[in-house]
Amino acid sequence: QSALTQPPSASGSPGQSVTISCTGTSSDVGGYDYVSWYQQHPGKAPKLMIYDVTKRPSGVPDRFSGSKSGNTASLTVSGLQADDEADYYCSAYAGPQHLGMFGGGTKLTVL
Amino acid sequence: EVQLVQSGAEVKKPGESLKISCKGSGYDFTNYWIGWVRQMPGKGLEWVGIIFPGDSDTRYSPSFQGQVTISADKSITTAYLQWSSLKASDTGMYYCARPYNWGDRAAFGYWGQGTLVTVSS
Repeated sequence: QSALTQPPSASGSPGQSVTISCTGTSSDVGGYDYVSWYQQHPGKAPKLMIYDVTKRPSGVPDRFSGSKSGNTASLTVSGLQADDEADYYCSAYAGPQHLGMFGGGTKLTVL
Repeated sequence: EVQLVQSGAEVKKPGESLKISCKGSGYDFTNYWIGWVRQMPGKGLEWVGIIFPGDSDTRYSPSFQGQVTISADKSITTAYLQWSSLKASDTGMYYCARPYNWGDRAAFGYWGQGTLVTVSS
């Protein structure tokens, strides 16, 4: 299994919106509605931001939203804030015989 | 409150063995998968494997199959990740994590603080 493909970097100014993509295959991203997104600040454990493509865990601001089209999932961060600057990883389920897989990560910079 | 508390940082030499732990509390430990994730210095996240403590069903990522062993002790609500012979390439931060929802194996909403493993001669 290959890792999911994410852009290495993304950026935006405070208040703007930014979208990060995550491309897989019909066996993972495209095959199930089980895409998750994690935020990781330096030196911290990852934090679940989106699960099941579009759902937000309790406490995650609605500025974070997820979507999927075909084999590509996306995370959109609206109203960018300084604290959104972090690494973001997508993850996708690939069936009962496989573990989930992660994307390579995207470093989001708030300009 | 769901908590996963991991054992402390380790410094080992190549060839040595190691077992790190992850103690779960605040939920029914036997009914949720627990996963292990590696993050090498400056790199991304990689799945190591997962275990269902209720019946010890264990799955490994192909990259880690045969290299590590995952286990769990229900009586003390603790999961383990162990190596029999460490290599320098095993150096990294290891996180344990639990799914956000019961029955899920795809979205991990609770994470331990991480255990830094350093393997150096």
